[in-house]
Amino acid sequence: DVKVTQSSRYLVKRTGEKVFLECVQDMDHENMFWYRQDPGLGLRLIYFSYDVKMKEKGDIPEGYSVSREKKERFSLILESASTNQTSMYLCASTTGSYGYTFGSGTRLTVV
Amino acid sequence: EDKVVQSPLSLVVHEGDTVTLNCSYEVTNFRSLLWYKQEKKAPTFLFMLTSSGIEKKSGRLSSILDKKELFSILNITATQTGDSAIYLCAVENNRDDKIIFGKGTRLHILP
Repeated sequence: DVKVTQSSRYLVKRTGEKVFLECVQDMDHENMFWYRQDPGLGLRLIYFSYDVKMKEKGDIPEGYSVSREKKERFSLILESASTNQTSMYLCASTTGSYGYTFGSGTRLTVV
Repeated sequence: EDKVVQSPLSLVVHEGDTVTLNCSYEVTNFRSLLWYKQEKKAPTFLFMLTSSGIEKKSGRLSSILDKKELFSILNITATQTGDSAIYLCAVENNRDDKIIFGKGTRLHILP
């Protein structure tokens, strides 16, 4: 069964901390995505990547960066966490031709 | 600007009722429309629709796409409490493999 694995289900971090959210897929997918989901705002794209070492900004990249050193791993980095980054973060991957597979999500709380 | 609009935003019905969820879109270079069900964490894939007028069916769920009028509906017959979830509609474009999500319809089934 294909899988997208996010390393943490729940995280609590302090304002100003550097936060790493990890996502690993075992499907050899080229495309990987990071979304955040907030009530009333739906899913919003933060960053995506079509290949190793490739990254593209999504709709709300401010305050975030990403790293894709290996095909199977796509990391989201909050350089200096702020309370408005408290959210559910979802990673997804796709070949581009058959829908998306999502990770189970990471609920991040910044205090 | 590409957009996906779902209606209603929320819906409460009794078990056994039939519901219709709506999704309209404006996307350049349309590739496909996707429906997802999200219960607690990550969305799970329901349907992918690429051709107009062809109904996709899975048990009590069915969906159809109208590419001329730019909308899709998701039908659920004989609803059960386990159908309570957020239903997400998303549209893929051919331009850059990105998908645009609607805000979702929150469906609650009363026993």
